[in-house]
Amino acid sequence: GENVEQHPSTLSVQEGDSAVIKCTYSDSASNYFPWYKQELGKRPQLIIDIRSNVGEKKDQRIAVTLNKTAKHFSLHITETQPEDSAVYFCAAYDYKLSFGAGTTVTVRA
Amino acid sequence: DVKVTQSSRYLVKRTGEKVFLECVQDMDHENMFWYRQDPGLGLRLIYFSYDVKMKEKGDIPEGYSVSREKKERFSLILESASTNQTSMYLCASSQGLAETYEQCFGPGTRLTVT
Repeated sequence: GENVEQHPSTLSVQEGDSAVIKCTYSDSASNYFPWYKQELGKRPQLIIDIRSNVGEKKDQRIAVTLNKTAKHFSLHITETQPEDSAVYFCAAYDYKLSFGAGTTVTVRA
Repeated sequence: DVKVTQSSRYLVKRTGEKVFLECVQDMDHENMFWYRQDPGLGLRLIYFSYDVKMKEKGDIPEGYSVSREKKERFSLILESASTNQTSMYLCASSQGLAETYEQCFGPGTRLTVT
């Protein structure tokens, strides 16, 4: 089955700086890679996703890149703000979603 | 706006008890999922369902069963609760079979087994 590894497990950044979270996956058949954000005490919510036929996707301050050859994908958050503080999960889809272990991002004011 | 609700936010049960966790979605979604969330392990899929009365095992089905008698309701059953099933349980639903359909999560049930 699919195995998704996510790094780092915690990330502390100064407000205004960039944050990068990296994930690797094992199943070359995986073709869809969403990212979910979970704020403290709340449910996970989809923030951005990318399909295997696309190398990069951007939505305002967040972007995701995918390298199919290397089987890794990354989330980039620019100009971080306090409301970006949350746990972020990457996931890969073969016939079901497999999630990474999560990254706790703290944005310092 | 998709609404996924779960029957309890917090639940405390004793070892050996049979536990029912209920999930209801109101947007006529075909697919429903049960995950457990543990620190450092992310979200792990327990069971999922693509249709009424249909179920598929996820990554960690041992000790759990599910029931989907109606399209909008998906129940997770712990046949004999054990302390290692203490966790946050999240239900989710999605619209169709395509992988790009967003999974919409419920608020979670924090289960403690003593």
